[in-house]
Amino acid sequence: KAGVTQTPRYLIKTRGQQVTLSCSPISGHRSVSWYQQTPGQGLQFLFEYFSETQRNKGNFPGRFSGRQFSNSRSEMNVSTLELGDSALYLCASSLEAGQSGYGGYTFGSGTRLTVV
Amino acid sequence: AQSVTQLDSHVSVSEGTPVLLRCNYSSSYSPSLFWYVQHPNKGLQLLLKYTSAATLVKGINGFEAEFKKSETSFHLTKPSAHMSDAAEYFCVVSDLAGGFKTIFGAGTRLFVKA
Repeated sequence: KAGVTQTPRYLIKTRGQQVTLSCSPISGHRSVSWYQQTPGQGLQFLFEYFSETQRNKGNFPGRFSGRQFSNSRSEMNVSTLELGDSALYLCASSLEAGQSGYGGYTFGSGTRLTVV
Repeated sequence: AQSVTQLDSHVSVSEGTPVLLRCNYSSSYSPSLFWYVQHPNKGLQLLLKYTSAATLVKGINGFEAEFKKSETSFHLTKPSAHMSDAAEYFCVVSDLAGGFKTIFGAGTRLFVKA
């Protein structure tokens, strides 16, 4: 079966712009979580969606938002981009609600965002 | 409070020698524990998971980990390293504390010398 698909793979944006990243989970998975990965901070949890509802949210400013559609696909949006938003954004899907549950995550390959 | 500590930021081994990546955790509940591997410019791949069944867990690519409650450890091992094992490895704890949280360790980068 197809894995977790994230688009685009690479993005270059200018400070102040906004960006939308997309994630299609594994078929049948209803939970989608987003993580930001940077060399300095490691993996940081952004938010989790389950059945179109945000279930958990990490400690990120309101510029970071997301949503989930009825087919479980998810998007995250970052507005007013800052240089520090440059990172690898990873999407992870899982069967259960709650972050990763007991089954673990299946991760996408990520979107590499560079803000200049 | 829930936490996970990977004791080594970098580990270097020679090809064909054993691998040991160390992980200690803290959890108020019965945790689930995971190891993930990340190759450069890729997402994370689940290597293995412990979910309160057998304490010795076998994963993919010859890796295994042992859950030791008394030592609060979940170390990852492999008898013989291969060049393709060079990657970053993350230990992860997940439990019901505060509404089912998942915490990632800082990662251990594994170097494999020919």
